[in-house]
Amino acid sequence: AQTVTQSQPEMSVQEAETVTLSCTYDTSENNYYLFWYKQPPSRQMILVIRQEAYKQQNATENRFSVNFQKAAKSFSLKISDSQLGDTAMYFCAFMKRNYGGSQGNLIFGKGTKLSVKP
Amino acid sequence: DGGITQSPKYLFRKEGQNVTLSCEQNLNHDAMYWYRQDPGQGLRLIYYSQIVNDFQKGDIAEGYSVSREKKESFPLTVTSAQKNPTAFYLCASTPLHSGGAGELFFGEGSRLTVL
Repeated sequence: AQTVTQSQPEMSVQEAETVTLSCTYDTSENNYYLFWYKQPPSRQMILVIRQEAYKQQNATENRFSVNFQKAAKSFSLKISDSQLGDTAMYFCAFMKRNYGGSQGNLIFGKGTKLSVKP
Repeated sequence: DGGITQSPKYLFRKEGQNVTLSCEQNLNHDAMYWYRQDPGQGLRLIYYSQIVNDFQKGDIAEGYSVSREKKESFPLTVTSAQKNPTAFYLCASTPLHSGGAGELFFGEGSRLTVL
């Protein structure tokens, strides 16, 4: 069975600074997706960034980037130039990619609560 | 607008009562999911369905039931057998055979409180 571990229950960062959230996962699969989801106080889950395991290049979305280390099973999220609106719970998630291209189920870590301070 | 609609947003239930949470999507997605969220626990999968009239148990299915009579609808019933139903419930969907996207789309959630 796959597991996802986020070892930082809470973090804080000053506005405009950079912060890195950690995530490790355990799987015997070779073909999968990794995600970071954001859940602001409104509770709506929003996709931040996605990484496909077969791609060696780290994904980037504006101020958000990942450091994907497949051998180490590590998938950290870096937020640059932090903004007050980045304050939220951040969840790391794993999804097995089934044969034929369909998806398995999304498995979540327990989350990291990020506070951006003015 | 396309999306996932969950209702009600807030629901109160007396012990011993069954309640049903609604989830409707107009994204033409194949697969739908129900997750439960508790503080410090992350999201845990209750049930999922990849096709009409078929669904599978997730990690914490006991005390819950679902149906998938239509592609766009996946209601969740919290039965009186669920010992600790107070939680935040999230519905999600995905196209399933998306050619590699893998993303789940979420509704805004339903907060259930047992009095």
